[in-house]
This record gives sequence, structure tokens and C-alpha cells, in this order.
Amino acid sequence: SQTIHQWPATLVQPVGSPLSLECTVEGTSNPNLYWYRQAAGRGLQLLFYSVGIGQISSEVPQNLSASRPQDRQFILSSKKLLLSDSGFYLCAILSRFYNEQFFGPGTRLTVL
Amino acid sequence: RKEVEQDPGPFNVPEGATVAFNCTYSNSASQSFFWYRQDCRKEPKLLMSVYSSGNEDGRFTAQLNRASQYISLLIRDSKLSDSATYLCVVNIPVITTGKLIFGQGTTLQVKP
Repeated sequence: SQTIHQWPATLVQPVGSPLSLECTVEGTSNPNLYWYRQAAGRGLQLLFYSVGIGQISSEVPQNLSASRPQDRQFILSSKKLLLSDSGFYLCAILSRFYNEQFFGPGTRLTVL
Repeated sequence: RKEVEQDPGPFNVPEGATVAFNCTYSNSASQSFFWYRQDCRKEPKLLMSVYSSGNEDGRFTAQLNRASQYISLLIRDSKLSDSATYLCVVNIPVITTGKLIFGQGTTLQVKP
């Protein structure tokens, strides 16, 4: 079965600092991967998705970027965090059979 | 018009009550529909897929009305443990991306 790992679980960063969040997947190969953000009291916003190594599609303009250096590794980065980057960051994988997505445990980011 | 629209609630119901959530979607070409459950400060988890003929899983019944672009979730005999936010989810019908649109969620609070 598929397992999604995300770390760290929580993170507190100052404004202007860099960010790197990692998502790794087990139990599947060549998955579609997704990064979402959920701001406090808000819905899930799709940030990036990837259909393969090195293939990244951005959904919204922002100061975040994503990379997929390996088949089962998806990284979310920022060079300089803004207060508005605070939120719950979730990595998800697409099920090949039924089109649903499964989520990792998430990283809760607070930018101060 | 939002792509997926839900009444945010909260719905406050006593244990044992029957409660129904509704959701409308804007893209008539969407083909996959889901209900997810999200507990406080946790990742969303798939509750059930929604099939054209309607489907049931224990106390939960999901229905789809394509003509009205409307999805519903019925919970019978509510339990305290059903307290959560329920997300209505619809696919974006673009081949290979697997992208989903999440509603803002409907909050359910089941009281003793």
C-alpha cells in the first residue's frame, strides 16, 4: 500500500527566511504528486502538481516553488517566506485506480 | 460562482440524528466525485466516492444528480465521532493531471 511521509510536522520560521518541505512516497512508482496549502479557516488550495520527475506545474503565482528530483520525492521551497505563507501544507498522491487522492500527514508552518 | 460550493455550517446535531450535507459543482464535464472527512488539524481522508447510481457505506449515503450538478451526503444515527469537517470534492476533467477541486467544507458537531 502507498505511504506518504512529510517532514517536519511543524515549523516556525521568521519572515524572510528560506523554506524546504519534503514529501516522500512509498509503495508506488511514477505517481502524480500534489502540494496543497490550507490557510487557517480556509479550503485546500492546489499549489503545484507533478506527473513525473522534473515535471512541475504551478497553479497559482506566489513566492513558492516545487521540485521533483526523484520519482517519489516532491519538495516545496521558498527563498524568502512571507507572513501569508503560514498554513497547513499537504502533499498528496493520486490513486491510479479510482482518481481519488491520498494525503500525507502535513506540515503546519507558522511564519512570524 | 465557486467551482465547488458547500454550506460551511456549522451543523450542530444531537447523537442519533440524521444530517444531510449538500454540494454543487460548476463544471458539467466532471466525472469523479468524492466526500472527504477532515478532523481538526489533520489531513483530509477519503470517506467515500460518489457514484452515479448513489452508494451507501454503513450509516453514510452519497448521491449524485448530474442534471442539477449536485452531490449530497446523508449521515444516519450520528455518533460523537462523526464530528468533523466534510469536504465535497470534484475532479477537473483534464487527462493525466488528476486534479481535484475541494469545497470549503461543512462542519458537523454532534452533541451528546
